[in-house]
Amino acid sequence: DQQVKQNSPSLSVQEGRISILNCDYTNSMFDYFLWYKKYPAEGPTFLISISSIKDKNEDGRFTVFLNKSAKHLSLHIVPSQPGDSAVYFCAARTEGNKLTFGTGTQLKVEL
Amino acid sequence: DTGVSQNPRHKITKRGQNVTFRCDPISEHNRLYWYRQTLGQGPEFLTYFQNEAQLEKSRLLSDRFSAERPKGSFSTLEIQRTEQGDSAMYLCASSLIIQRGNTIYFGEGSWLTVV
Repeated sequence: DQQVKQNSPSLSVQEGRISILNCDYTNSMFDYFLWYKKYPAEGPTFLISISSIKDKNEDGRFTVFLNKSAKHLSLHIVPSQPGDSAVYFCAARTEGNKLTFGTGTQLKVEL
Repeated sequence: DTGVSQNPRHKITKRGQNVTFRCDPISEHNRLYWYRQTLGQGPEFLTYFQNEAQLEKSRLLSDRFSAERPKGSFSTLEIQRTEQGDSAMYLCASSLIIQRGNTIYFGEGSWLTVV
């Protein structure tokens, strides 16, 4: 069973517009949520995180929103830039700092 | 460079051979993790260490896989009698465990191709 789901395998956005990446989870025991960005043949790079007791965290162009009742989180990137083109993984943390990842969303930011 | 370091970055091996990957975590980090990623999937947890103690192993980690962290610093992941299904990227990560919410930092990964 997939506890963390990213239902959109790809997303295409124009440069300067907002990118919204979505993630759903099923396990209520997750206490922290993280977003990672990954380029081909490289390891994931940490972007931003949010505690389960918060509903929003912002860092520059990146904002993560958490709707705990809906078990849903989203990553907003604004304005989107061509360098943001990558695969974005949502991850949820359980005891032991163990992460469960979604399957990723390929973001393409077009000129 | 003070990030998580993995080597080799790429390994091609024949089925049935043994392979070993090494991970050097960020120096002050006391937790070290191994993940595996196959095409089209997110990374999947394999095992983790706190200092030299291996605290949890996923059921994905078959008997052919063994991980060690002998002095609580670097770690090795050995795969014995490799199978084609072992072809994947093996990711190492590290973190501090002083407080909740510490970020996990990943290395560049080690690609394994079993032919």
